[in-house]
Amino acid sequence: QSALTQPRSVSGSPGQSVTISCTGTSSDVGGYNYVSWYQQHPGKAPKLMIYDVSKRPSGVPDRFSGSKSGNTASLTISGLQAEDEADYYCCSYAGSYTFGIGGGTKLTVL
Amino acid sequence: QVQLVQSGAEVKKPGASVKVSCKASGYTFTSYGISWVRQAPGQGLEWMGWISAYNGNTNYAQKLQGRVTMTTDTSTSTAYMELRSLRSDDTAVYYCALGELSLNFDYWGQGTLVTVSS
Repeated sequence: QSALTQPRSVSGSPGQSVTISCTGTSSDVGGYNYVSWYQQHPGKAPKLMIYDVSKRPSGVPDRFSGSKSGNTASLTISGLQAEDEADYYCCSYAGSYTFGIGGGTKLTVL
Repeated sequence: QVQLVQSGAEVKKPGASVKVSCKASGYTFTSYGISWVRQAPGQGLEWMGWISAYNGNTNYAQKLQGRVTMTTDTSTSTAYMELRSLRSDDTAVYYCALGELSLNFDYWGQGTLVTVSS
């Protein structure tokens, strides 16, 4: 299982939109529609924000959206707010109940 | 509601073993598999492996094969992760997690800090 590739950091001003990419292979991101995204604040457990590429769990604001094209998935956060500043991780199912997780992206709200 | 409650922090010497527990409640334990994910200090998340709570089938990350064993006790709705031959780079917060919605991790334990130090 190989780690998925994410940018180390992204930033945006309040109200703007940012997109975080997650690149894998045809064996994980490209092969299954089971990409999920997690938000993690310092000292806290990760929180599910997007699952099955583009679905939002109950309670997650619709400012968060997900998509996928080929071997690359993306998380877009629109209308940035200060509380969105956190680390974000993508995760993909890779078959036979194995998973790959991205290296994480630090989002800074300027 | 689903809850995963993990055992407390551990301090171990290099070469020792550690066993972390994850007690589940709020759902039928055998309905979902449980994954273990760890996070070294200041580092990203690393998937360690998965166990079916239904039949005990497991899949482990290649880099941990031979050092990790995941088990469940259906009588107490508890999952366990044992890591052997501990090294300093095994120092991390260890999480259990499960996916109710799909093949993802909806619910997470609170994390267990394992420190490996001589």
